[in-house]
Amino acid sequence: GDSVTQMEGPVTLSEEAFLTINCTYTATGYPSLFWYVQYPGEGLQLLLKATKADDKGSNKGFEATYRKETTSFHLEKGSVQVSDSAVYFCALSDTREKLTFGTGTRLTIIP
Amino acid sequence: ETGVTQTPRHLVMGMTNKKSLKCEQHLGHNAMYWYKQSAKKPLELMFVYSLEERVENNSVPSRFSPECPNSSHLFLHLHTLQPEDSALYLCASSQAGGRSYGYTFGSGTRLTVV
Repeated sequence: GDSVTQMEGPVTLSEEAFLTINCTYTATGYPSLFWYVQYPGEGLQLLLKATKADDKGSNKGFEATYRKETTSFHLEKGSVQVSDSAVYFCALSDTREKLTFGTGTRLTIIP
Repeated sequence: ETGVTQTPRHLVMGMTNKKSLKCEQHLGHNAMYWYKQSAKKPLELMFVYSLEERVENNSVPSRFSPECPNSSHLFLHLHTLQPEDSALYLCASSQAGGRSYGYTFGSGTRLTVV
């Protein structure tokens, strides 16, 4: 079945550092890929998405590229801010009405 | 306002109580979902409704009972819960049949069973 594997957290970085959160997936078809973010006390918000190979999703300075050859969708940001502290979830959608999530990676940015 | 509204935000209930969680969306979506988020565990998909029909029930105990009276409203009826059911319950909605749309989530109901 479908699965998503994210790097183990927690991740702690200093402000303005470069961020990478790794995500790899297993799917039988050609999934759409997503990154969601969850701020403390809130639900999940869609951060970015990519629907086919080599697509790049981007939002709020975050980027991720759909790599079919490595089945990866790593999240990157060039310069993180304290306000980026949250839990980040990688997810895929391979069939209708089903979204498979990774376990989440907690990110803490220190000033 | 996220477009998906969940009430209440917080709920404390005894094991013998009966309560209901409510979810409402004003996005024109026609698929709705209940997820359970527990500490140190992956998000668990509980129920899926597409076009007001339940299409998935992931072996959820019968003490959880969903109801979807129309495409804008989703309920989760709770009765005789256990302490291990304490968690954040998230509702989401999407456009049915569109795998590339992603979901819109509510802010969740933090449930504590005492």
